[in-house]
Amino acid sequence: DGGITQSPKYLFRKEGQNVTLSCEQNLNHDAMYWYRQDPGQGLRLIYYSQIVNDFQKGDIAEGYSVSREKKESFPLTVTSAQKNPTAFYLCASSIGLRGTTTDTQYFGPGTRLTVL
Amino acid sequence: SQKIEQNSEALNIQEGKTATLTCNYTNYSPAYLQWYRQDPGRGPVFLLLIRENEKEKRKERLKVTFDTTLKQSLFHITASQPADSATYLCALEGSGGGADGLTFGKGTHLIIQP
Repeated sequence: DGGITQSPKYLFRKEGQNVTLSCEQNLNHDAMYWYRQDPGQGLRLIYYSQIVNDFQKGDIAEGYSVSREKKESFPLTVTSAQKNPTAFYLCASSIGLRGTTTDTQYFGPGTRLTVL
Repeated sequence: SQKIEQNSEALNIQEGKTATLTCNYTNYSPAYLQWYRQDPGRGPVFLLLIRENEKEKRKERLKVTFDTTLKQSLFHITASQPADSATYLCALEGSGGGADGLTFGKGTHLIIQP
């Protein structure tokens, strides 16, 4: 059963705490992405990675960190430096640079983070 | 900077009619454009891709057009059904080409009324 999974589905955090959101894919995709979605807003790119051990900042990287130690995994840490972390977080993957230039993305089910 | 505009107001369509959604963009010359469907509380799902040299693309009841002169794409759902109710997102390749992700519009919420 191929796909992209995110966990947990719901996450609650106290102010000042770091939390890590999991993203795993078994699609053999090289590229992985993290987006944030707020109500009534489009998806905004946080970080992306085209290859293992390499990643790039997106449009709203401040207060977030990522790692890409394995091809299948791209965890996102929301740090205490992120001033407004309550949002819906979506992870996606795509074939990446070795594929065609039409980078269709496959999304996970999302994690809803709430800061208490 | 690149900008994508989709009608932010909900679109109400009677069942059986054709729903037409609009995506306009500025400061872009994308090689392709994609449409996604998103249901509440779920991740977007890819529907269709159209390239800059294609005028129209069809998939079952879905049709997408791409006018690079007008910088506009239209997304049509024919014989609409209540199950088509969702938010539809338009996406374009990022400024660095497709390798650095997509830029998404805010989406149009479509409601098909029985």
